[in-house]
Amino acid sequence: DTGVSQNPRHKITKRGQNVTFRCDPISEHNRLYWYRQTLGQGPEFLTYFQNEAQLEKSRLLSDRFSAERPKGSFSTLEIQRTEQGDSAMYLCASSPTSRDIEKLFFGSGTQLSVL
Amino acid sequence: DQQVKQNSPSLSVQEGRISILNCDYTNSMFDYFLWYKKYPAEGPTFLISISSIKDKNEDGRFTVFLNKSAKHLSLHIVPSQPGDSAVYFCAAVGQTGANNLFFGTGTRLTVIP
Repeated sequence: DTGVSQNPRHKITKRGQNVTFRCDPISEHNRLYWYRQTLGQGPEFLTYFQNEAQLEKSRLLSDRFSAERPKGSFSTLEIQRTEQGDSAMYLCASSPTSRDIEKLFFGSGTQLSVL
Repeated sequence: DQQVKQNSPSLSVQEGRISILNCDYTNSMFDYFLWYKKYPAEGPTFLISISSIKDKNEDGRFTVFLNKSAKHLSLHIVPSQPGDSAVYFCAAVGQTGANNLFFGTGTRLTVIP
């Protein structure tokens, strides 16, 4: 078990382009979370899944952001029509259940730079 | 609206001395508090936690203190070691779990050998 894996580690894109990030959680973890961390701030919750069901998406930053977890395993986060303000670290985390907050494991993140 | 605040962006401590990292929160509904440690190019990793029904939790060199009336918690590291140099995030959560996990802005700790 190699922990939570995120790809790519870095993504540089031009404003207006679409980007997609992938997260592979720890295999037995049912819950998968996406967070965003901007410079000088702590991680900020975006959305989460229980298996393949997206249980909350109201805090996705805009309708340009969407996430999927089609088979309850890996997840993707897509940002359409990127803006410079989308530049941030996007973190994925997984946990076995909803209350195992101490067993929330983070990936190393995808650093997005929008030029 | 920052519900969890870490007012010291950085802290430098000599090796062997005590490091004290502080955190304040505003939401009285938070019932569990955690500290995470983050090295460069890695995600945050869980360090220690405390429930709102306690005022102290200790794990080896790390102790977290909670003052509910002041809505304040602190992390003590003693003795500090160079390997402790990292960014430390305070986080707070309500009853619903990690979808309501709120992080502070972090404190960069540097332990000087």
